[in-house]
Amino acid sequence: AQKVTQAQTEISVVEKEDVTLDCVYETRDTTYYLFWYKQPPSGELVFLIRRNSFDEQNEISGRYSWNFQKSTSSFNFTITASQVVDSAVYFCALAPYGQNFVFGPGTRLSVLP
Amino acid sequence: EAQVTQNPRYLITVTGKKLTVTCSQNMNHEYMSWYRQDPGLGLRQIYYSMNVEVTDKGDVPEGYKVSRKEKRNFPLILESPSPNQTSLYFCASSTNPSEQYFGPGTRLTVT
Repeated sequence: AQKVTQAQTEISVVEKEDVTLDCVYETRDTTYYLFWYKQPPSGELVFLIRRNSFDEQNEISGRYSWNFQKSTSSFNFTITASQVVDSAVYFCALAPYGQNFVFGPGTRLSVLP
Repeated sequence: EAQVTQNPRYLITVTGKKLTVTCSQNMNHEYMSWYRQDPGLGLRQIYYSMNVEVTDKGDVPEGYKVSRKEKRNFPLILESPSPNQTSLYFCASSTNPSEQYFGPGTRLTVT
């Protein structure tokens, strides 16, 4: 069975703090994709990153970085120097190749000025 | 512009009044899917379609119907909506299930 756990339901930080959102997944498939999506208050899903199971390189995109560790089945997301505009719900998702998405429950991030 | 569109974006209705939420994509994708999003539960799949006339149940299909008569359209039908179907609904499409493009969402309230 596939499962995604985001243990942090809500996180509050003050602007300019760094924050890490945790994602732990379960799958028996060897080929799969991991995703992060951002959902701002307006409600749409904003794609942030897709990583396949064979690529364990960490990725950095501006203030965002992702740490994929197969050994611990984790795909954590760090925002450096957070800003108020980062306030949103963040979803981690797993998609074994050719199969449907499984989403985590989401983490609500509030960045306070 | 490649996109997935949903209509309506917002809908308030009453219990038992049939409704349809439309979903359309212009990317010639074979795969389309519907999800509902509820607080603390993330997105859960309702139904999906691998191609025209091919549909299958997702994790939470009860109370919903779908059809796929054309490749570009995948409407979600609620024959007799109930308050527990109040939710945010997303349609998605792709060439394969692990690369989905999501629509803007439809916020449904059933009173």
